Amino acid sequence: DIQMTQSPSTLSASVGDRVTITCRASQSISSWLAWYQQKPGKAPKLLIYKASSLESGVPSRFSGSGSGTHFTLTISSLQPDDFATYYCQQYNTYSPWTFGQGTKVEIK
Amino acid sequence: EVQLVESGGGLVQPGRSLRLSCAASGFTFDEYATHWVRQAPGKGLEWVAVISWNSAGIGYADSVKGRFTISRDNAKNSLYLQMNSLRPEDTAFYYCVKDNQRLAQGGYFQHWGQGTLVTVSS
Repeated sequence: DIQMTQSPSTLSASVGDRVTITCRASQSISSWLAWYQQKPGKAPKLLIYKASSLESGVPSRFSGSGSGTHFTLTISSLQPDDFATYYCQQYNTYSPWTFGQGTKVEIK
Repeated sequence: EVQLVESGGGLVQPGRSLRLSCAASGFTFDEYATHWVRQAPGKGLEWVAVISWNSAGIGYADSVKGRFTISRDNAKNSLYLQMNSLRPEDTAFYYCVKDNQRLAQGGYFQHWGQGTLVTVSS
């Protein structure tokens, strides 16, 4: 199975900060990568698919980039509603779906 | 509006069985693959099983293969997960998830239900 590794595990930031989360795949997944946001007690929510495509209704301050094995999720200006845990996920056709371990974005 | 509502969770003893259900609405259910994804309390996400739009394609995580069975009834807009030989490590929130396409491979998780908690303990 393809292993996904996120960094950092926890990130402390302030409202208005630019935040970047990194996700690495154990082998190339082309652009078959999604990002999800999860708030406490809630289900995950899709933010980004195909590495850089913004899901409908998701604020434009969220952006994704990368291909192959290295990917990033960027929040251009952190808002109070963005404090949550973020997961990357690969959906390469010939491998079971796997997630990163998560990155918790906390208030500094 | 897409809605996925899970039911059937609860407390069960190790070795026993449980069947989860998911009622789907707000979209054409029989045009999409669907999944079960679980999350142990305070832990990360783990994909469990997938079923294609017509049930021809099915896949399982190694951790549940041979014990869990995924199925769907398109006439009832419903997804199921039969869980047998349950273990304490199966304790988790189980989410019903809609894929973005119809096949049992290569899609991402577009919509999620709110989850149902399964606790395996004596």
